[in-house]
Amino acid sequence: NAGVTQTPKFQVLKTGQSMTLQCAQDMNHNSMYWYRQDPGMGLRLIYYSASEGTTDKGEVPNGYNVSRLNKREFSLRLESAAPSQTSVYFCASRTGTFGYTFGSGTRLTVV
Amino acid sequence: GQQLNQSPQSMFIQEGEDVSMNCTSSSIFNTWLWYKQEPGEGPVLLIALYKAGELTSNGRLTAQFGITRKDSFLNISASIPSDVGIYFCAALNYGGSQGNLIFGKGTKLSVKP
Repeated sequence: NAGVTQTPKFQVLKTGQSMTLQCAQDMNHNSMYWYRQDPGMGLRLIYYSASEGTTDKGEVPNGYNVSRLNKREFSLRLESAAPSQTSVYFCASRTGTFGYTFGSGTRLTVV
Repeated sequence: GQQLNQSPQSMFIQEGEDVSMNCTSSSIFNTWLWYKQEPGEGPVLLIALYKAGELTSNGRLTAQFGITRKDSFLNISASIPSDVGIYFCAALNYGGSQGNLIFGKGTKLSVKP
């Protein structure tokens, strides 16, 4: 019963470095999401994938790219990290009308 | 864009007290959800509401989907220390082929034993 698994849990990057956050779900969900959480801001949608092979921008997509590798996996890439991207990143998945299931997050610091 | 206004931002209460928080919007939604987030973890779904006027309980938690479809509230009765966390409301519309969840900014609950 893994649910949604995110790696890594923690990461420190220097400004300008790139990295990919990984997310995998084992619930056979069609839709997957990337959110960022900043203090006092709630969760804001970065990108989502309604189904395998499709991706769409959310509320705050600038500076990010995504890949829906297959039905299980949805990765988030920072091509050139900036301090403003310091945040906690959550991946989630959903099927049908049920609420989203979230991973435990990746805590990213850009220095 | 659509926004959810969640209040209060934070609450400091004594163990055993009841808690009430709410979420309002100028937009109409088809689904309201309440999540709890504990430190170092992702949000976990507490209650889902799918019909205007619906009142649903989950143990000591009770939530209602407002009749206007623009608001929802969450009550916690007889709070205990493990209720500590951030509670988020979230709302969803099923328009077209995709509905995306939007979140309130959260209510941080602290419980004093």
